[in-house]
This record gives sequence, structure tokens and C-alpha cells, in this order.
Amino acid sequence: AQSVTQLDSQVPVFEEAPVELRCNYSSSVSVYLFWYVQYPNQGLQLLLKYLSGSTLVKGINGFEAEFNKSQTSFHLRKPSVHISDTAEYFCAFDDPSGAQKLVFGQGTRLTINP
Amino acid sequence: KAGVTQTPRYLIKTRGQQVTLSCSPISGHRSVSWYQQTPGQGLQFLFEYFSETQRNKGNFPGRFSGRQFSNSRSEMNVSTLELGDSALYLCASSGTEGYNEQFFGPGTRLTVL
Repeated sequence: AQSVTQLDSQVPVFEEAPVELRCNYSSSVSVYLFWYVQYPNQGLQLLLKYLSGSTLVKGINGFEAEFNKSQTSFHLRKPSVHISDTAEYFCAFDDPSGAQKLVFGQGTRLTINP
Repeated sequence: KAGVTQTPRYLIKTRGQQVTLSCSPISGHRSVSWYQQTPGQGLQFLFEYFSETQRNKGNFPGRFSGRQFSNSRSEMNVSTLELGDSALYLCASSGTEGYNEQFFGPGTRLTVL
């Protein structure tokens, strides 16, 4: 079955420290990969996406992710976090056929401590 | 461009009632998808509409239904509400050429008492 696993439900980090949020997916076909962020009482905002091409993808707010096909992973990284990065982060994939049917991981709550 | 709007933002209903939620996509977008977000099940796909036709459906009971109008606005309806239907319902819209990312609205928080 197709699924997304976010390996950490919560990640506490000190301000200005680097962070990595881990994501693995399982699919029998090629997929498009995404990271979304959700701030309290808000919808989802796209951080970055991988459709094809370079496996290192840069997104908004200084985030980047690397697609690793052999390890079926799409980990999210930021070299130096800020208090404002405190939010829930979701990894997701979609079928390239255009199904518009995102499959999400369970989310990782990132907490930045001063 | 205005973003995806959802109304109402908050809703309280009692078991057995029905509810209708509304979603207005970004101007020019013809695809509208709905997702349910709960603490236990996370984010789950409900259905997707394109040009007034349901193209995809998730694994939800028939109590959950939707429709899309000619102006691409979409509504979803939940009949015979159960306590477990309490959730944040998110709507997303996307464009029509090639593969397009989904833009999400702020959601409707439904509480069933």
C-alpha cells in the first residue's frame, strides 16, 4: 500500500540550531513529493516540492529537501531555525498522473526553544 | 489573487444533524480537493472535483458527499453526523495545465456534540 512515514512525531530544537525532519515513502510507482507546513489554526502552506530533475530542492523560508530514490526518502532540512519555524510539518506524495490526491504522513511537530 | 476561501470557519453541530461546508477556489482553478484532518487519523483525502465531476474519491462512507458548481465553487455535505466527524476540513484548489500544486484554504473546524 502507498504510504508516507514521518519518523519523528515531535522534534525540539534550540533556536539557530540545524534541523532535519525525516520522511520515507512507500509506493510502487514514481511519485511527486511535497513538504507542507501548518501554523496553528491555519491551513497548509507548501514549503517545497520535487517533481523531477535535481534531487536537492530548495523551498521557502530557507528550507531544503533531498530526494533519495534508492532509500525512498525525502528529508527536510534547515541549517539554522528561528522561533517562527515552530509549526507542524507534513510530508506528502501524489501520483504524477494528476490525481490531485495527496497522501500525507502523520506530521512532525517542530518546537523551537530560545 | 485571492486565496482559497472556506466558509464557515467554525461550526458546532449535534449528532444526527447534517452539515454543508463551502469552498471557493483561487480564480481560474478548476480542481477542488477536500481533506479531513483529525488528531488520530491525520490528513485524509475525501474527494476531488474537476469541472463539476468527481474524479477521485477517498475511503469515506457515503454520508460524505460533495459537488462542484460551474464557477468551480465546491460544497461538501456530511449527513447523520457522528462524534467522530469532528475535524478540520480542508479544501485545496489547483490549476489545470500539467501537474499543479494544491493551494489550501484555512479550513472549517467542525465540532459534533
